[in-house]
Amino acid sequence: KQEVTQIPAALSVPEGENLVLNCSFTDSAIYNLQWFRQDPGKGLTSLLLIQSSQREQTSGRLNASLDKSSGRSTLYIAASQPGDSATYLCAVKGNTPLVFGKGTRLSVIA
Amino acid sequence: DARVTQTPRHKVTEMGQEVTMRCQPILGHNTVFWYRQTMMQGLELLAYFRNRAPLDDSGMPKDRFSAEMPDATLATLKIQPSEPRDSAVYFCASGSGRTDTGELFFGEGSRLTVL
Repeated sequence: KQEVTQIPAALSVPEGENLVLNCSFTDSAIYNLQWFRQDPGKGLTSLLLIQSSQREQTSGRLNASLDKSSGRSTLYIAASQPGDSATYLCAVKGNTPLVFGKGTRLSVIA
Repeated sequence: DARVTQTPRHKVTEMGQEVTMRCQPILGHNTVFWYRQTMMQGLELLAYFRNRAPLDDSGMPKDRFSAEMPDATLATLKIQPSEPRDSAVYFCASGSGRTDTGELFFGEGSRLTVL
């Protein structure tokens, strides 16, 4: 059974810092991995989708990498801003629908 | 602006009452998922459909939960009777094409409180 773990559970950084969020999964037989952002009381917004054949995806200040063989993904956020404060969720798609980690709650302090 | 629409956004009810949550997937999407989110468990899959056919509902308590897609534009999740432990945020998501490569799009969720 696929398990997804995100470390740390919470992170607080000053504005302007570059930061890395980590995601690990137990079964490397995946089709894709997706990073989502969730604001309090809101739904999930897709940030980046990495197919299993890809190593990374970039969107603006966000860069996600995937190392399928080691069961790891990272989300890199450059030059963090207070508006980046949210919970970031990692989810993997294998032979079952998306399995989610519990998220990393990020606070960017002005 | 294509998006997944869920109703109601908030629902407070008493234990034992029936609750129905509705979802309108993005037009043209052929897969629909129901997830439940709690602080303790995070996001858990309850059920999903492809081309309106249920593929997996093993995540649902069968005695009280039921999920259906009466047509391609409507998915429903019903709880009868509701219990306090059902209090959570219920999310609907939809996707198109092959689910092994496709991106999922989520609604804003239905926040359920059972007293």
